[in-house]
Amino acid sequence: DTEVTQTPKHLVMGMTNKKSLKCEQHMGHRAMYWYKQKAKKPPELMFVYSYEKLSINESVPSRFSPECPNSSLLNLHLHALQPEDSALYLCASSQAEGAQYFGPGTRLLVL
Amino acid sequence: GENVEQHPSTLSVQEGDSAVIKCTYSDSASNYFPWYKQELGKRPQLIIDIRSNVGEKKDQRIAVTLNKTAKHFSLHITETQPEDSAVYFCAARRPSGGGADGLTFGKGTHLIIQP
Repeated sequence: DTEVTQTPKHLVMGMTNKKSLKCEQHMGHRAMYWYKQKAKKPPELMFVYSYEKLSINESVPSRFSPECPNSSLLNLHLHALQPEDSALYLCASSQAEGAQYFGPGTRLLVL
Repeated sequence: GENVEQHPSTLSVQEGDSAVIKCTYSDSASNYFPWYKQELGKRPQLIIDIRSNVGEKKDQRIAVTLNKTAKHFSLHITETQPEDSAVYFCAARRPSGGGADGLTFGKGTHLIIQP
């Protein structure tokens, strides 16, 4: 398997909801990433996991909570989001200092 | 932190001509520079990358050059085809010593190939 997969593809949630985004890779990569991409903008780094430990948090608000249950899975738990959090959330994976490969993203709309 | 500037924001070329997109970075410690192509509604797709110990890399119609002294790198696409139309992002990675580091992206170039 040479792809990063993400579920769901689309998500609509209210500001009081709790939801989770899921990312999976079976390439043996030990680093996984969450990026946020607004329309017509570049991806912006949110979190980096290295060997299942959080190594970088780019000052992301606590309403976003990442989790790495094992080396193949990465979750992003969402709670009390704001409408401005609506965006495409991209997961990526890599070997430690190798090329990063992106999943198709989850398009999130917060109402 | 790292800052990546990318130019132009839009580039329109005739099919068959060459396209060049330029990026500069601010942190001399950055050592890895990938380029991604993103079509509308799709994921960013890695098309080529270069490390700081290499000056140039080529893959068929695509090439990347790196000038470490000037902190400048460029993407060259020759013999452009309609399917090359997309948004192209350059990026830089600055090592933090932790083994895995995120990318800082340029703002993107919308490449339009005119038939």
